[in-house]
Amino acid sequence: EVQLVESGGGLVQPGESLRLSCAASGLTVSSNYMNWVRQAPGKGLEWVSVIYSGGGGTYYADSVRGRFTISRDNSKNTLYLQMNTLRPEDTAVYYCARGYFFNYFDHWGQGTLVTVSS
Amino acid sequence: DIQMTQSPSTLSASVGDRVTITCRASQSISSRLAWYQQKPGKAPNLLIYKASSLESGVPSRFSGSGSGTEFTLTISSLQPDDFATYYCQQYNSDSTFGQGTRLEIK
Repeated sequence: EVQLVESGGGLVQPGESLRLSCAASGLTVSSNYMNWVRQAPGKGLEWVSVIYSGGGGTYYADSVRGRFTISRDNSKNTLYLQMNTLRPEDTAVYYCARGYFFNYFDHWGQGTLVTVSS
Repeated sequence: DIQMTQSPSTLSASVGDRVTITCRASQSISSRLAWYQQKPGKAPNLLIYKASSLESGVPSRFSGSGSGTEFTLTISSLQPDDFATYYCQQYNSDSTFGQGTRLEIK
C-alpha cells in the first residue's frame, strides 16, 4: 500500500523560509514523478512542482519559480520542498502526490498546512 | 496557460439522482483530463483519468466523457458518500485544475 506522509508545515512570517518533507512507503520516490500540489484555504487546487524519475529534472509553476526548490533523498525515500521568500499568498495546505508520469495524480498524502502571516 | 472552467459551482441533488458536472478547457486538451473527488479535510481522490477511464476501486456509477474542450463527469445514482467537491484537471500542457463543483444534499 502506498503511503505519503507530509510534515514541516507551520506559521512563518513573510519573507521567511520553510522546508516540507514527504516520506514515502510502498513506492520508490526516485522511480516516480513526484509532485507538490497546494490548496489555499477554501480554494481550489494548484499544481506547484514536479521532480522527474531517474535523473531528477524539475519543473515549477510560474507562481513559485525562483523561490521554491523541489528535491529528493533517495536513501530516505523522501521528497522535499524548500520554500524561500514566502508570501501571504503561499498560505495553503501542501500535498505531495505521485504523478502517473507528468499526468494525473493517483496517490496523495494527507497534506501539511503552511501559514504565512505577520 | 490553459484555463479550466467547471459548471455548476454548486449542485444540489438527492440520493438516487443522476447528476452531471461539466468542465470546459480554454483550448483543446485531447483526452488529457482527470476528475477528482475531495471531502472536507481530506486529500483529493482520483476518480477518472484520460477523460473516461475509471480508476481502480472507483464505483462504476462514476463515468466520464468528452474530448477536445468539453468534458463531463456523471454519477448515475447518487449515494450518501458522494456528497463532496469535484475537480477536473487538465494535463495536456502543465497541469491546471477547475475551480471545483460542490455537490450538496438537497
